[in-house]
Amino acid sequence: AQSVSQHNHHVILSEAASLELGCNYSYGGTVNLFWYVQYPGQHLQLLLKYFSGDPLVKGIKGFEAEFIKSKFSFNLRKPSVQWSDTAEYFCAVNVGSQGNLIFGKGTKLSVKP
Amino acid sequence: SQTIHQWPATLVQPVGSPLSLECTVEGTSNPNLYWYRQAAGRGLQLLFYSVGIGQISSEVPQNLSASRPQDRQFILSSKKLLLSDSGFYLCAWSGVRSWRETQYFGPGTRLLVL
Repeated sequence: AQSVSQHNHHVILSEAASLELGCNYSYGGTVNLFWYVQYPGQHLQLLLKYFSGDPLVKGIKGFEAEFIKSKFSFNLRKPSVQWSDTAEYFCAVNVGSQGNLIFGKGTKLSVKP
Repeated sequence: SQTIHQWPATLVQPVGSPLSLECTVEGTSNPNLYWYRQAAGRGLQLLFYSVGIGQISSEVPQNLSASRPQDRQFILSSKKLLLSDSGFYLCAWSGVRSWRETQYFGPGTRLLVL
């Protein structure tokens, strides 16, 4: 069965630190990859997505992610985090004809001001 | 613009009681609809999805069921709740142009079964 692994449960950083959140998936076929974010008290919303083409994807708020097919990875990065980036981040994979998303367990990011 | 509503926002129910959670979407036609559950420490799990009225696919066998009586209405139900049904339930919709469509999530319902 397909699965998505997010290696860090909780990450604590100071403002201006660089961020990298790991995401690995297990599926040998074509996948679409997503990062969703849930800010405190808000809806889950799309941060960025990869379907094809350039494996380096840029999303909102300065986030980017790199798809490395050989490593089955789609890590999320941001060069300099802000306090407002405090949120829970979910990696997800879309497989199959119905577009069902398989989510990782999420990573909570806490940014200290 | 499209919006998605879920209610109630919070629910506390005794074990063995029935459940009905409702999700409605505005501003789009014939969406794909999804129910997810987020249990503590377990991430988001797809429960059901629907590609049209009366068409429901179940991803995880359990004592929950889903129905889609109208194009933009998706209902999650149970006849008898279990303690393990506690969690955060999210409804989502996506367009049907391709299976790459982004999913848009509702505000969620927090269910506590006691």
